[in-house]
Amino acid sequence: EPEVTQTPSHQVTQMGQEVILRCVPISNHLYFYWYRQILGQKVEFLVSFYNNEISEKSEIFDDQFSVERPDGSNFTLKIRSTKLEDSAMYFCARQGAEAFFGQGTRLTVV
Amino acid sequence: AQSVSQHNHHVILSEAASLELGCNYSYGGTVNLFWYVQYPGQHLQLLLKYFSGDPLVKGIKGFEAEFIKSKFSFNLRKPSVQWSDTAEYFCAVNAGGSNDYKLSFGAGTTVTVRA
Repeated sequence: EPEVTQTPSHQVTQMGQEVILRCVPISNHLYFYWYRQILGQKVEFLVSFYNNEISEKSEIFDDQFSVERPDGSNFTLKIRSTKLEDSAMYFCARQGAEAFFGQGTRLTVV
Repeated sequence: AQSVSQHNHHVILSEAASLELGCNYSYGGTVNLFWYVQYPGQHLQLLLKYFSGDPLVKGIKGFEAEFIKSKFSFNLRKPSVQWSDTAEYFCAVNAGGSNDYKLSFGAGTTVTVRA
């Protein structure tokens, strides 16, 4: 069983709509990372979140993206206005030097 | 920044054959090295990791990898594959000895084992 649970497992949304992807760790941890994998491409780093703040973000993580920890345990990745090119698998990971991944959310933008 | 290249996009082999997947990285400093596996419909799982010490590391399911610092390589091996090893395999690296844990991944290698 993964140490991180992601919901939903698959989401289909229309272009321009907002989506919220959720990540729930089994145990409390400080470092969380979001990655994405566009079909047929590499897994890419999006953003890291340490102690309730963004610690680093990639150039992919533009103003359309945001991360929050709304209730002290769950983590959310929000895409405000989805584009076709946002279609990808999104992975949440709790990390130290080693990463423990969730099962991913497959986002399909139509 | 680190970068990782995996030599093979898709490998097809028969059960009991030996498997070797190539991985090279580029980074000037100390690195931590990982191999992850993703079985169909499942999450990324850690196969093995190298932080320091013995460059030959053994992981789960009979996999091993060898870190060759002079070649910037971390190739994955298994002497005899099974049908259940059909999966996608990712090599990844992050900076060692720092709090920058973000992983840089290779493009992945799809391994298909025929019964």
